[in-house]
Amino acid sequence: QVQLQQSGPGLVKPSQTLSLTCAISGDSVSSNNGAWNWIRQSPWRGLEWLGRTYYRSKWHTDYAVSMKSRITIKPDTSKNQFSLQLNSVTPDDTAIYYCSTKDGDYWGQGTLVTVSS
Amino acid sequence: QSVLTQPPSASGTPGQRVTISCSGSTSNIGRNTVNWYQQLPGTVPKLLIYSNTQRPSGVPDRFSGSKSGTSGSLAIGGLQSEDEADYYCAAWDDSLKGWVFGGGTKLTVL
Repeated sequence: QVQLQQSGPGLVKPSQTLSLTCAISGDSVSSNNGAWNWIRQSPWRGLEWLGRTYYRSKWHTDYAVSMKSRITIKPDTSKNQFSLQLNSVTPDDTAIYYCSTKDGDYWGQGTLVTVSS
Repeated sequence: QSVLTQPPSASGTPGQRVTISCSGSTSNIGRNTVNWYQQLPGTVPKLLIYSNTQRPSGVPDRFSGSKSGTSGSLAIGGLQSEDEADYYCAAWDDSLKGWVFGGGTKLTVL
């Protein structure tokens, strides 16, 4: 049974960086058949995939086209977790942020991130 | 505007069968499989169907999925009050190189 535990601040100021972490138990971030997603949900955008990281002999990342200039997703093998950084946030980035496994069979508990001064 | 198109709402009475559609294109559903998620009010989305037709362990067989061409469908038979939720489809998009979702369908059990 995989469990994903999210951590990070719920309030970020405009123009600053949103940072979240997803700790994995029951699987390895380095698994050769896994993939680790960040997804967000807001009333105005619905569910929106942000990006993923995965290991296939080397590390790969894919980002949503709309996010590419602002987003970084990184694995941390020493802590068996992965992280999301979203730069230059605006109020439009206010959403519930989720981490999930490859096909979305397991999700983190969600973090409501509000972008406000 | 979501890449995958779902009806915003659906409804049925207890015991009825309801179908929810998900329309995409050749770059997503046309080439890749469809997943369906159920989101009960105030909860995290839950995987209901993967690879078009497969149910994860613990999902009742009242829930079934299918795919034809660039469209997918979720059918719920023997509708129950606890099925009242939002349902989302998703597929990998080869052109966008990312997962795309439908806008969600709110199911009401009358």
